Formats: sequence, C-alpha cells, structure tokens
Amino acid sequence: GQNIDQPTEMTATEGAIVQINCTYQTSGFNGLFWYQQHAGEAPTFLSYNVLDGLEEKGRFSSFLSRSKGYSYLLLKELQMKDSASYLCAVNDGNNRLAFGKGNQVVVIP
Amino acid sequence: DADVTQTPRNRITKTGKRIMLECSQTKGHDRMYWYRQDPGLGLRLIYYSFDVKDINKGEISDGYSVSRQAQAKFSLSLESAIPNQTALYFCATSRTENTEAFFGQGTRLTVV
Repeated sequence: GQNIDQPTEMTATEGAIVQINCTYQTSGFNGLFWYQQHAGEAPTFLSYNVLDGLEEKGRFSSFLSRSKGYSYLLLKELQMKDSASYLCAVNDGNNRLAFGKGNQVVVIP
Repeated sequence: DADVTQTPRNRITKTGKRIMLECSQTKGHDRMYWYRQDPGLGLRLIYYSFDVKDINKGEISDGYSVSRQAQAKFSLSLESAIPNQTALYFCATSRTENTEAFFGQGTRLTVV
C-alpha cells in the first residue's frame, strides 16, 4: 500500500516562515505534488517536484529528496489568506496520485 | 465558467437510494478522476479514466460505479447509498500523470 505522512496542524504568525513536511513510502515514484485547499473548497495546485532539489515559485518553495522519501513545502512572508490545508500527493508510478491527509496551517495576526 | 463543473453541489439522500454525481470539464484532458474526502482521511481515489473506453478502480471503489460518456464527462453513481458514503466528493482532470490536476468545486453528499 501507499503511505503518505504529514503532521496534522500548525499555527504561525503573519509574516513568518513555515515549513510543512511530507514523508512517503510508495510502491513507485513518479513525482510529488503540493496542493492548497481552503475549507470546503477545491484543492489548487502549488508545486511539482520530480527531481531532487528545491523548486521556488514566489513565496512558496518545495524541496524533494527521493532517497529519503521526503519533501517539504516552505511558505514565506505568511499572509492571513495562507490559512488552509496543504496536501502532499505522490504519483506512485501507476498513473495514480496518493494523497496525504493534509496539514492545516492557521495564520494568526 | 469553471474548468471542471460538478453537479449537484449539495445533496441529501436516503439510505438505499441510487444517486448520480456528474462532472464535466472544458480543459480537453483525457484523464479524469473521482475522489472522496473525509475529515482526517484526506483525499481517496474511487475511480479513474484515461479515455472514453478506459475505466479503472481506485483504492475505494466498492459501492460505486462510473461512466465515461464522453471525453468531457465522467459520472459517479452510488447504486444503493449508505450512511458511510456521506462525504465530500471531488472530480478532477489532468493532461498527463506529471501535470497538475484541476478539481471541481466538490459535491457534499449526505446519506441519511
């Protein structure tokens, strides 16, 4: 089976930096996605990593280590609108995405 | 207009009833997916389809069936709804396995 592990919740202050971790054990690997989901809304795409290293996109960066089965999403200059759940999803090499349970980030003033 | 449209957005149905959730997309993608989301469990794949003649079971397909009527349309059916199928259901589409998925706004289904 597939196992995608994420911490469940964290609180951070507006303007701060927060790192959200994701570890995975899957039968295969063909890329890792990060999605943002506000409560009751559809997930929206943030980033994609298939090779080791850091991908930067504005305030969001995502890192991947395939040998360690590990990724993180870094959110900089936190804004109130960043309060959401962040979902890690792994392409298992069989054309399927396995999602983690999501990490709820609460941004406080 | 939304790229991926789900109908209905909300539905309450009784145990034992048959219900169909519909999804249509204007992205022109071949790949379409149905997921359900439960609190604390994340998104779980029910069925997926890579073209009109292709249907594949996901990790939790029992109690569900699907139909791919056209490239743009993928419907999910609950033949005999039961309360533990109460959940938020999402349809999604993607161009390839390595490109982002676009999700519909979700259907909140309650089975009483």
